Amino acid sequence: GENVEQHPSTLSVQEGDSAVIKCTYSDSASNYFPWYKQELGKGPQLIIDIRSNVGEKKDQRIAVTLNKTAKHFSLHITETQPEDSAVYFCAASIRGKLTFGTGTRLTIIP
Amino acid sequence: NAGVTQTPKFQVLKTGQSMTLQCAQDMNHEYMSWYRQDPGMGLRLIHYSVGAGITDQGEVPNGYNVSRSTTEDFPLRLLSAAPSQTSVYFCASSSGGSMNTEAFFGQGTRLTVV
Repeated sequence: GENVEQHPSTLSVQEGDSAVIKCTYSDSASNYFPWYKQELGKGPQLIIDIRSNVGEKKDQRIAVTLNKTAKHFSLHITETQPEDSAVYFCAASIRGKLTFGTGTRLTIIP
Repeated sequence: NAGVTQTPKFQVLKTGQSMTLQCAQDMNHEYMSWYRQDPGMGLRLIHYSVGAGITDQGEVPNGYNVSRSTTEDFPLRLLSAAPSQTSVYFCASSSGGSMNTEAFFGQGTRLTVV
């Protein structure tokens, strides 16, 4: 089955700096790559997603890039703010089922 | 907008007990699924359903049963609870017949088996 690896597991950045989280996937048939943000005590919430026919997608301070050849995708958050502190999960969808990465705990230092 | 509602939020069980985790969605989504979340392991798929009357196993189905008699409800049954089932459980739903669109998650059920 699909395997998704996510790095780093923890990340601390100064407020205003950028944060980058990277994921790799194993099955080249995966065609949908969402990113979820999970705040303490809540369920994950979609923040951005990208499909396999697109290389990059941006939504305000958040962007995702996809390299199908290398089978990796990344989340970029610019101008980080305290409310960006959370756990972030990448995922890959193959045949309609999501496989999640192990998560990155992002801490924004004021 | 209720979205995905899970009950209960917290539960403590003794080893060998059985219970049902409830999940309901009001978005008329065809696809529903159950995940468990353990430290350092992300979310792992337990069971999923692509529509009423149709269920299938995910990555970690042992010890769990599901049924889907209506579009709205997708309960997860623990047949004989074990300490290894201590986890946070999330129910999710999405439109269409797969997770290739935005998935909406419930708030989770924190289960402890002693």
